[in-house]
Amino acid sequence: AQSVSQHNHHVILSEAASLELGCNYSYGGTVNLFWYVQYPGQHLQLLLKYFSGDPLVKGIKGFEAEFIKSKFSFNLRKPSVQWSDTAEYFCAVPEVYSGAGSYQLTFGKGTKLSVIP
Amino acid sequence: SQTIHQWPATLVQPVGSPLSLECTVEGTSNPNLYWYRQAAGRGLQLLFYSVGIGQISSEVPQNLSASRPQDRQFILSSKKLLLSDSGFYLCAWTQGAHGYTFGSGTRLTVV
Repeated sequence: AQSVSQHNHHVILSEAASLELGCNYSYGGTVNLFWYVQYPGQHLQLLLKYFSGDPLVKGIKGFEAEFIKSKFSFNLRKPSVQWSDTAEYFCAVPEVYSGAGSYQLTFGKGTKLSVIP
Repeated sequence: SQTIHQWPATLVQPVGSPLSLECTVEGTSNPNLYWYRQAAGRGLQLLFYSVGIGQISSEVPQNLSASRPQDRQFILSSKKLLLSDSGFYLCAWTQGAHGYTFGSGTRLTVV
């Protein structure tokens, strides 16, 4: 089964600091990769996704992520964070052997980001 | 456009009572549907998924069950809740390998 590791449980940054959240997965091959975000009191929403092509993916709100196949990684970055980026971030990768047609995602445990004004 | 509805938003239930959480999807047909539980510091745990009416697959043996009586309806149930069933339950749908769209979730507290 696929496993997803997010290295940091809680990251605290000051506004304008740069952000990088790590994500590693266990199974290679053809992968689609996702980052989801959950703002306080809100539901999970898609931040960005990688399917193919340019390994540097741009998402909403200035976020980007780089897929490095040799490292099984898909790290999330933002050059300058804002207080409004305070949220929990989840990396997700498709399960290796889903039931027929089921397309299951395996999620990391999440990284809580707190941005201090 | 597609939307997903999940209710109730919050629920407080006594131990031993039954549970029924409902999720419906609009604007699509034959979606894959999922129930996840989110626990602090533990990420999202897949509980059940369904690829069609009446087709339910369970990922984790537990006190819960799921049903899909209609194409766009997915129900999470329990006959007798345990304290350990407390958590945040999320419904999601997808069509193909495009990632999930999540509902707004249900915060269940078993007392």
